[in-house]
Amino acid sequence: ILNVEQSPQSLHVQEGDSTNFTCSFPSSNFYALHWYRWETAKSPEALFVMTLNGDEKKKGRISATLNTKEGYSYLYIKGSQPEDSATYLCAPAPVYGGSQGNLIFGKGTKLSVKP
Amino acid sequence: NAGVTQTPKFQVLKTGQSMTLQCAQDMNHEYMSWYRQDPGMGLRLIHYSVGAGITDQGEVPNGYNVSRSTTEDFPLRLLSAAPSQTSVYFCASSYSRTSGRYEQYFGPGTRLTVT
Repeated sequence: ILNVEQSPQSLHVQEGDSTNFTCSFPSSNFYALHWYRWETAKSPEALFVMTLNGDEKKKGRISATLNTKEGYSYLYIKGSQPEDSATYLCAPAPVYGGSQGNLIFGKGTKLSVKP
Repeated sequence: NAGVTQTPKFQVLKTGQSMTLQCAQDMNHEYMSWYRQDPGMGLRLIHYSVGAGITDQGEVPNGYNVSRSTTEDFPLRLLSAAPSQTSVYFCASSYSRTSGRYEQYFGPGTRLTVT
């Protein structure tokens, strides 16, 4: 079972602030990394799946990077908006076989954005 | 497409009762998974399947059974409900050979209370 750490546990920012979170996992050359956004009373939704060391992905104001050799991924939100308030989950998965069907999630970073 | 559907939405059980949580997907996904969400614990993997007829245990499998007789359906059976199984249960599916994409799609969840 993978040991996945996310930091910080929670974050309170003002509208317009930029912020970033960290996902740490055992380093390896063979990880994919999933990021999900989970709003209260809803279901998690996928943001990114990154599969290569050095990968960078972007969706609007949200971007992510992956370093499998040192075992971390960063999620950045530029100019946070109240609608960004959610819990952000990461899940590394070995890139072989069906391993990406059995994700082990971190406990998440809960972001609150004040108007 | 309906995506991932789960029934029921809510259920109250007495200790010792058994029941089945239903999950179905219409995206022709090969992988399906069951998670439970508990306060402070994030999402924890119960069981998963990488194809019809193939299932395996996740982080917290005790007290639960699964089977996957078709690609579309992945029911979760509680054998003898215990108060510790009070939780919100999410089913997820991912990966089709057509898309080659691995992000998980989550159902709306089943809120289970065991008294």
